[in-house]
Amino acid sequence: QVQLVQSGAEVKKPGASVKVSCKASGYTFTSYGISWVRQAPGQGLEWMGWISAYNGNTNYAQKLQGRVTMTTDTSTSTAYMELRSLRSDDTAVYYCARDPSYSSSWYLFDYWGQGTLVTVSS
Amino acid sequence: EIVLTQSPATLSLSPGERATLSCRASQSVSSYLAWYQQKPGQAPRLLIYDASNRATGIPARFSGSGSGTDFTLTISSLEPEDFAVYYCQQRSNFGPGTKVDIK
Repeated sequence: QVQLVQSGAEVKKPGASVKVSCKASGYTFTSYGISWVRQAPGQGLEWMGWISAYNGNTNYAQKLQGRVTMTTDTSTSTAYMELRSLRSDDTAVYYCARDPSYSSSWYLFDYWGQGTLVTVSS
Repeated sequence: EIVLTQSPATLSLSPGERATLSCRASQSVSSYLAWYQQKPGQAPRLLIYDASNRATGIPARFSGSGSGTDFTLTISSLEPEDFAVYYCQQRSNFGPGTKVDIK
């Protein structure tokens, strides 16, 4: 069965960076993409970006351009999302989600990780 | 950028009742609209894609309809596990959600 297992909760100070991992199993990793979606406490969902697990191509949300980097390690079927220059409003649960296309994002998220809480606080 | 609005914000119903949730797009999105269910402390779950197609394993009581700018998610008879928040989504945009709670 398809599973996405994310790394554990993080507490960071403003200005620091965080890197969240998402290990996939139960499907051919390189035949799909991975999107990242975050959710601030009590708020709605915000798409952050997408990466192809086939060739590493990325597409980031404009508001995060320059602060976010998404990568994959095909040898371990793991996707990573790094967010830099953290601010208090980056406090959120970060989710990875499988996207059915490896060539460009279909913006369709059929399986999700369990979420990783990132808290930014001084 | 396309803006999605959902109504109502909260829907209070009893188990067994029919739920009708609305999502409106600020411009036509053809049939490229999905619906997700999220329960407290859990990740969202894909229910419907391309406006009317149920995702794998989704019960038949969930149905989606619409095209262009107006879309509807219908739950024909609410089960206890259906009380949750429902989001519509089009490409990188999510609606603000509709909470279905127990009356």
